[in-house]
Amino acid sequence: QLQLQESGPGLVKPSETLSLTCTVSGGSISTSAYYWGWIRQPPGKGLEWIGNVYYSGSTYYNPFLKSRVTMSVNTSKNQFSLKLTSVTAADTAVYYCARLNLEQDWYFDLWGRGTLVTVSS
Amino acid sequence: SSELTQDPAVSVALGQTVRITCQGDSLRSFYASWYQQKPGQAPVVVIYDKDNRPSGIPDRFSGSRSGDTASLTITGAQAEDEADYYCSSRETSGNVVFGGGTKLTVL
Repeated sequence: QLQLQESGPGLVKPSETLSLTCTVSGGSISTSAYYWGWIRQPPGKGLEWIGNVYYSGSTYYNPFLKSRVTMSVNTSKNQFSLKLTSVTAADTAVYYCARLNLEQDWYFDLWGRGTLVTVSS
Repeated sequence: SSELTQDPAVSVALGQTVRITCQGDSLRSFYASWYQQKPGQAPVVVIYDKDNRPSGIPDRFSGSRSGDTASLTITGAQAEDEADYYCSSRETSGNVVFGGGTKLTVL
């Protein structure tokens, strides 16, 4: 059964870069049927889409975060990654990686458990 | 980037029917997907495309759309349905958008 697992530092200092990796196990990331996405959720708030990456490296980013976000794929390690630069306290959130199913209209059919990232000095 | 608007909170009596709505321009072109999130857990998709349920999702969950509004209906709400519900859709640009979420209370 395919699973996703987020990993990365739980604490990042203001103005620094947040870096997270999602490891896909039980299946290949190199499939045309899916994008791979990042979604975040600040404490007590709703879900916010950050962006999606295809196994070829093609990306879509949230326009409000686009200037600070980079997503990439490492097919040899079956991983995809998120970098968010110049973080502030407003970037404190649980970060989820998820699989975006491209069948008909898109939907996230599989999610990681999420990882809390706190931005604080 | 468009927005999806949801009512912040809805309540339903145990065993009754409740409808959670989601409004936005993208819904005129694309079907919404609906996610259930319980405290401390990752979201889980309950409805996708026109009215499809993943394996394991009870058939009391159903979806519909009219114009720019999508609806998630729970027919015969159970105590375990108490959760936050989020709608989402793709956009013509290739982006994805989420609604602000609806907190469902089962009385």
